[in-house]
Amino acid sequence: AQKVTQAQTEISVVEKEDVTLDCVYETRDTTYYLFWYKQPPSGELVFLIRRNSFDEQNEISGRYSWNFQKSTSSFNFTITASQVVDSAVYFCALSEAGRGSTLGRLYFGRGTQLTVWP
Amino acid sequence: DAGITQSPRHKVTETGTPVTLRCHQTENHRYMYWYRQDPGHGLRLIHYSYGVKDTDKGEVSDGYSVSRSKTEDFLLTLESATSSQTSVYFCAISEWREGPDTQYFGPGTRLTVL
Repeated sequence: AQKVTQAQTEISVVEKEDVTLDCVYETRDTTYYLFWYKQPPSGELVFLIRRNSFDEQNEISGRYSWNFQKSTSSFNFTITASQVVDSAVYFCALSEAGRGSTLGRLYFGRGTQLTVWP
Repeated sequence: DAGITQSPRHKVTETGTPVTLRCHQTENHRYMYWYRQDPGHGLRLIHYSYGVKDTDKGEVSDGYSVSRSKTEDFLLTLESATSSQTSVYFCAISEWREGPDTQYFGPGTRLTVL
């Protein structure tokens, strides 16, 4: 079973629109960590955010914000006033910290391709 | 940026040949990982290492082996490359501080097996 589900395969928006990328995860561990990475067309993976399971505070960083809800096992990512440079594939990932978990390994979703048109 | 390099960055090889990919870090991190990225699959773990000479398998380890004789180097070997191993390979490093720390990724190696 997929531990991380990104149901949106592709999203297209026009510049300045707000866009939310969905991420739903599945784990039995009480301690876990969630991540978002960005992969621009150049191919590298860029870390955006790390959040642990005990911290449900939403986070804002410039035009980026993250909404973590344990009740729905979701960790959604919103880009406000999108720009062409936001065009990339965005990956949500989960790392479990419980006994028996593979040390630090990341379970990735399949990614969401975001295209921002001028 | 984390000091992670991968070599080669691109490689084309033929079915049946051995291939070794190298990941080098300058951060002295204990944990190193090899992932492969394929369309529609995201990234999947091949092997990982939690110290010199300490390695273990990930979810897609068949056909791959690894070695780590020094903290800074983590080698991924395809003993006999197959076309199904055509992929982009990423190395990652991290630490463990009261839980898994952020993984930082190398630039990737694009491997084509003909």
